[in-house]
Amino acid sequence: EAQVTQNPRYLITVTGKKLTVTCSQNMNHEYMSWYRQDPGLGLRQIYYSMNVEVTDKGDVPEGYKVSRKEKRNFPLILESPSPNQTSLYFCASSPGQGAYEQYFGPGTRLTVT
Amino acid sequence: AQSVTQLDSQVPVFEEAPVELRCNYSSSVSVYLFWYVQYPNQGLQLLLKYLSGSTLVESINGFEAEFNKSQTSFHLRKPSVHISDTAEYFCAVILLMDSNYQLIWGAGTKLIIKP
Repeated sequence: EAQVTQNPRYLITVTGKKLTVTCSQNMNHEYMSWYRQDPGLGLRQIYYSMNVEVTDKGDVPEGYKVSRKEKRNFPLILESPSPNQTSLYFCASSPGQGAYEQYFGPGTRLTVT
Repeated sequence: AQSVTQLDSQVPVFEEAPVELRCNYSSSVSVYLFWYVQYPNQGLQLLLKYLSGSTLVESINGFEAEFNKSQTSFHLRKPSVHISDTAEYFCAVILLMDSNYQLIWGAGTKLIIKP
C-alpha cells in the first residue's frame, strides 16, 4: 500500500531532551516536507526537500533540523525541544516533476513539558 | 506577498443543506489549486484539484470547486452535506514560477454538520 508513515504517533518529552520523528514514504517521491499544525494557524511548513541531499527552510524552521540521506526517509530532529514546539506534526511527500499533490502521514502529536 | 485566504474559520450547516467554503488567493502568476480534507484525528488527504482544462472539478464524494481566474477564487461547494463530511478543509495554491514553484496554504475551514 502506498503510504507515508510517521513514528512515533504520540510523544511526551521534557524540555531539552533531543528527539527524532521519523518519516518514510514508499512511493519513490522526490519531494518531502514537514509541517506543524496549531489551532487557528493552519499548516506551517518547517522544512522541505526537493530531492536527496537537498533541503530548504520553510516558514518556521527555527529549532528544527532535517536530513535527506535516502529518497524514502526524511527525519525531523529537535535538538533541544521547548514547550513552544508542542504541536501536531505532519510529514508529506509529493512526486515532483509536475505532479504537485501531496500525500500526508497520519501525524505525530508532540508535547514538550 | 502571495497569500491564500479562507474567509471562514468555521462553517456550521444543517445536514442535507448546501454548503460553500470560500478560498481566494492573491497571485499574478499561473496557479494550480487544491482542496484537502482532514477528518478528525487523521492526516490531510487530497479532495480535488485544478491543474488545467475545465474550470469545474469534482470529487468522488459529491464536492465540486470552480476556478474563477478573474476573481482569483476556488470555492468548494456541496449541494447536500452529510454528517460524515464533518472535517477541516484546506485550500492550497501552487504558484508556478520560471524554474520553481511555491506552495501556499490557507488557514483551514472547519465544517460543522448539525443534525
